[in-house]
Amino acid sequence: EAQVTQNPRYLITVTGKKLTVTCSQNMNHEYMSWYRQDPGLGLRQIYYSMNVEVTDKGDVPEGYKVSRKEKRNFPLILESPSPNQTSLYFCASSFRDTEDEQYFGPGTRLTVT
Amino acid sequence: AQRVTQPEKLLSVFKGAPVELKCNYSYSGSPELFWYVQYSRQRLQLLLRHISRESIKGFTADLNKGETSFHLKKPFAQEEDSAMYYCALSGAGGDSSYKLIFGSGTRLLVRP
Repeated sequence: EAQVTQNPRYLITVTGKKLTVTCSQNMNHEYMSWYRQDPGLGLRQIYYSMNVEVTDKGDVPEGYKVSRKEKRNFPLILESPSPNQTSLYFCASSFRDTEDEQYFGPGTRLTVT
Repeated sequence: AQRVTQPEKLLSVFKGAPVELKCNYSYSGSPELFWYVQYSRQRLQLLLRHISRESIKGFTADLNKGETSFHLKKPFAQEEDSAMYYCALSGAGGDSSYKLIFGSGTRLLVRP
């Protein structure tokens, strides 16, 4: 089944403890991106990747890192999480770019205490 | 600045009533506009895009460049239309087609 998977789905952690949220797609998509969803703000783009080893900042990149070593994987790294990063995170992928249909993962709910 | 505005957080209608979810945008170039929908316990998914000019599940949306709007409409709402709806904007071509901007979303509640 063609899909985007994220792990973990739920995570509670403490301030400063490094964490990684994984994202994987099996559709051979070139474009992948990360969003955070906060009440009243909709989805805001954190980082995106146009292809392997090519990434760039979205609108809210502070406090996050990404890497794209393989086409199918696009992990989101929080090196020193803070409470203001408590949010619902979505990974998405598409064939080439944002003009194409985006396929979303199920979301990861992160709580930083 | 690039921006997508959905002025209504919640829209409540009765089954069979017409529905219009508003979306206004601010963008200096040539935009691609989309509506994404999230049903309860399901993933966010594409509902329709302006370039396809098709009707999906009875919904249509027309891009009005003069009013910079892309409102979503359906003549007769159904209970299964209850969901969260997001309007989104992408630039067209080059580097502008790597960023997607979402509105804050409108929750549609269709009552029996």
